[in-house]
Amino acid sequence: QKEVEQNSGPLSVPEGAIASLNCTYSDRGSQSFFWYRQYSGKSPELIMSIYSNGDKEDGRFTAQLNKASQYVSLLIRDSQPSDSATYLCAVNIGYGNKLVFGAGTILRVKS
Amino acid sequence: DTGVSQDPRHKITKRGQNVTFRCDPISEHNRLYWYRQTLGQGPEFLTYFQNEAQLEKSRLLSDRFSAERPKGSFSTLEIQRTEQGDSAMYLCASSLGSASTDTQYFGPGTRLTVL
Repeated sequence: QKEVEQNSGPLSVPEGAIASLNCTYSDRGSQSFFWYRQYSGKSPELIMSIYSNGDKEDGRFTAQLNKASQYVSLLIRDSQPSDSATYLCAVNIGYGNKLVFGAGTILRVKS
Repeated sequence: DTGVSQDPRHKITKRGQNVTFRCDPISEHNRLYWYRQTLGQGPEFLTYFQNEAQLEKSRLLSDRFSAERPKGSFSTLEIQRTEQGDSAMYLCASSLGSASTDTQYFGPGTRLTVL
């Protein structure tokens, strides 16, 4: 079992719709969770971080965390073509705070 | 632009050659991380520094790889006797401190192609 798992997609949504991206992790001791966006050929860019169970909203983005189920998700409301990218889920593991990434979910927003 | 810079941005080399990459973190950041990313995969942790001390190395970091962070400022990652399997994007990230909530900010990466 991989430490962080994501559906590779591609996930296709029409412009203006809600995109839902999911991630599961294996380490019950994990405390910090991050969503990064990565455009083709570019480096990861932080979108959201979440540390407590529940929802955290930032503009069109909402991160959801359920530690009991070891599940974290990212919702993107009013999706735009510019949101088309790979979304990486990352979990902070261990003393050194190294990030363990999922393989990423490709999102395509069609206009 | 996150404030983390990497040089060079692209490197093409022949198998067996040595290469060195440089990372300049955000100036007040104490932690510096190196990751490697291959096509279709998420970044994989290689090593990290707290100031000038290298505190952890991944099993991915074979003895052909060495990293330094003299004086706790910039860092270098050297690959000796490169192999085609070393072709990847090498990413550097920095964070302010050691709290688990610290955010890691990534540089633009160095894309290595080994012919």
